[in-house]
Amino acid sequence: DQQVKQNSPSLSVQEGRISILNCDYTNSMFDYFLWYKKYPAEGPTFLISISSIKDKNEDGRFTVFLNKSAKHLSLHIVPSQPGDSAVYFCAARNSNDYKLSFGAGTTVTVRA
Amino acid sequence: KAGVTQTPRYLIKTRGQQVTLSCSPISGHRSVSWYQQTPGQGLQFLFEYFSETQRNKGNFPGRFSGRQFSNSRSEMNVSTLELGDSALYLCASSGTGGNAEQYFGPGTRLTVT
Repeated sequence: DQQVKQNSPSLSVQEGRISILNCDYTNSMFDYFLWYKKYPAEGPTFLISISSIKDKNEDGRFTVFLNKSAKHLSLHIVPSQPGDSAVYFCAARNSNDYKLSFGAGTTVTVRA
Repeated sequence: KAGVTQTPRYLIKTRGQQVTLSCSPISGHRSVSWYQQTPGQGLQFLFEYFSETQRNKGNFPGRFSGRQFSNSRSEMNVSTLELGDSALYLCASSGTGGNAEQYFGPGTRLTVT
């Protein structure tokens, strides 16, 4: 039962343009949301997070938006750079047991 | 600070065998979680250990087990390996267990033939 869904397995974007990655969740007990980035042969690295009490968090080129009523969050990368080419995982923490649930990932390719 | 380390990095086993994977968390981190990553499935949570106690468990069969030592190092064991166990096994550590940000190791690539 996939509680966190990333419905786009891949995304291709031109360098300098905006990348928008989407994530939907079903569990209303999720209270904290994270995005991780993964390069081949490496473990995921933490990118940015947002608490359920906020609707936006920004860190440099990365902004995460949370729409609780729609159970939807998105990650915006502006401007996209070649080094952003990676797999991006959306994750959500359950406030009951602090378990993280991950989406299946979106592979981003930034074209020069 | 040294990051999360996992050994071995690559492993090839045959069906029916068992395997033990090791994870050393970031110094001072007491929570260690294990995940299985397969293509198209994302990261599936296996279990979490905190202060030598299993605190959370995912939906995996009993063939998957783990433990944590007093120095917070953790091992996971898979017995009676099946072809479907071929995956990247990731270990992640975090400071208090309540902190959502986890720090991942590079993973162990297990291939079962």
